[in-house]
Amino acid sequence: KAGVTQTPRYLIKTRGQQVTLSCSPISGHRSVSWYQQTPGQGLQFLFEYFSETQRNKGNFPGRFSGRQFSNSRSEMNVSTLELGDSALYLCASSSGLAGGIDTQYFGPGTRLTVL
Amino acid sequence: DAKTTQPNSMESNEEEPVHLPCNHSTISGTDYIHWYRQLPSQGPEYVIHGLTSNVNNRMASLAIAEDRKSSTLILHRATLRDAAVYYCILTRRDDSWGKLQFGAGTQVVVTP
Repeated sequence: KAGVTQTPRYLIKTRGQQVTLSCSPISGHRSVSWYQQTPGQGLQFLFEYFSETQRNKGNFPGRFSGRQFSNSRSEMNVSTLELGDSALYLCASSSGLAGGIDTQYFGPGTRLTVL
Repeated sequence: DAKTTQPNSMESNEEEPVHLPCNHSTISGTDYIHWYRQLPSQGPEYVIHGLTSNVNNRMASLAIAEDRKSSTLILHRATLRDAAVYYCILTRRDDSWGKLQFGAGTQVVVTP
């Protein structure tokens, strides 16, 4: 079974631009979660999508948004990029059926650098 | 949300057991204990989880205290590949959908 894939793996943008990151979950998984990882804040939960609906949300500004398609693939968008948005963005997939005890399978991440 | 406390780092020699402690004194009866680890330059990966009883799988064992206020992840024979940051996380079945609350974790260093 193929794992979680994320594209692109690396991205360089400038302040004020916007960016879209993509995540393809494991086949059959209906839940996709997104996380931001920085040296200062560690791993922080952004949001989770299940069957095309946002089901859970972390404490990030509205510049961070996402969506999920009918094939469970998900995209995350960050508008008006700031230097502090430089981070590793990880997505994780799970069945979405076992609530908080679902095992999450993480992708390799997208390394975003904002200049 | 119930919080977990872990040591910042631990060192072990290769092929020796590693015992990683986690304190969760405010755990509720419906909280599950999960362990994930993150190898260098990779996303986190699931290790093991449990509720009340000790659990074993091919990667590790999880020993849960009788009062559930602490737990220990046991790597039976550390290899160089086990060098990673290990996270102890609490979740509940009825909420936390798709959400794992990561702390700082324990950096495990394995020496040949």
